Amino acid sequence: ETGVTQSPTHLIKTRGQQVTLRCSSQSGHNTVSWYQQALGQGPQFIFQYYREEENGRGNFPPRFSGLQFPNYSSELNVNALELDDSALYLCASSLLGRGKETQYFGPGTRLLVL
Amino acid sequence: AQKVTQAQTEISVVEKEDVTLDCVYETRDTTYYLFWYKQPPSGELVFLIRRNSFDEQNEISGRYSWNFQKSTSSFNFTITASQVVDSAVYFCALSEGNRDDKIIFGKGTRLHILP
Repeated sequence: ETGVTQSPTHLIKTRGQQVTLRCSSQSGHNTVSWYQQALGQGPQFIFQYYREEENGRGNFPPRFSGLQFPNYSSELNVNALELDDSALYLCASSLLGRGKETQYFGPGTRLLVL
Repeated sequence: AQKVTQAQTEISVVEKEDVTLDCVYETRDTTYYLFWYKQPPSGELVFLIRRNSFDEQNEISGRYSWNFQKSTSSFNFTITASQVVDSAVYFCALSEGNRDDKIIFGKGTRLHILP
């Protein structure tokens, strides 16, 4: 196990609602990245947080936003949910600042939007 | 543009057979990193290996081995003497050297090991 935890494990929402997903990084890691994995696809990068600021963003609209807290845990918020937001949301933690470091993934949150 | 292609969508082999998962990547960077992750039905991505673009030495870890060839932009993964527990989706991925944020994943290869 990586030590990266995510909550909740499963979630059902309706279109137009808002959702918050949570991630606790592995001990010693200072960076959290979020990915969206649609069914049958590879994960797609949403954004990364380092030192409580966004450190890079993929091709996702502004209604996808995030936060990182002083203890390096993170939240992913999605507003105005759409049916296509149904996916597995994965967070990964890593240690930035010592060159390229591997990202270690949590078990994911499965979101279903009806 | 960066891209990872895993042409094999799904593979089925009988237990104890060897199987190779193909991965072809595209990048303009001279410094980059390649990864393989395993995703069992539980959903968690399990890190298997990371190689940088300057290290073309092949690697073996138990029944797993990786063949990195820059000349063909390939980073193939072989499982020797496959076992049922190897059944999973395997992702090849690429990260550029000047970026610490995103990893670009292929679409994955679903591997079925039949008893």
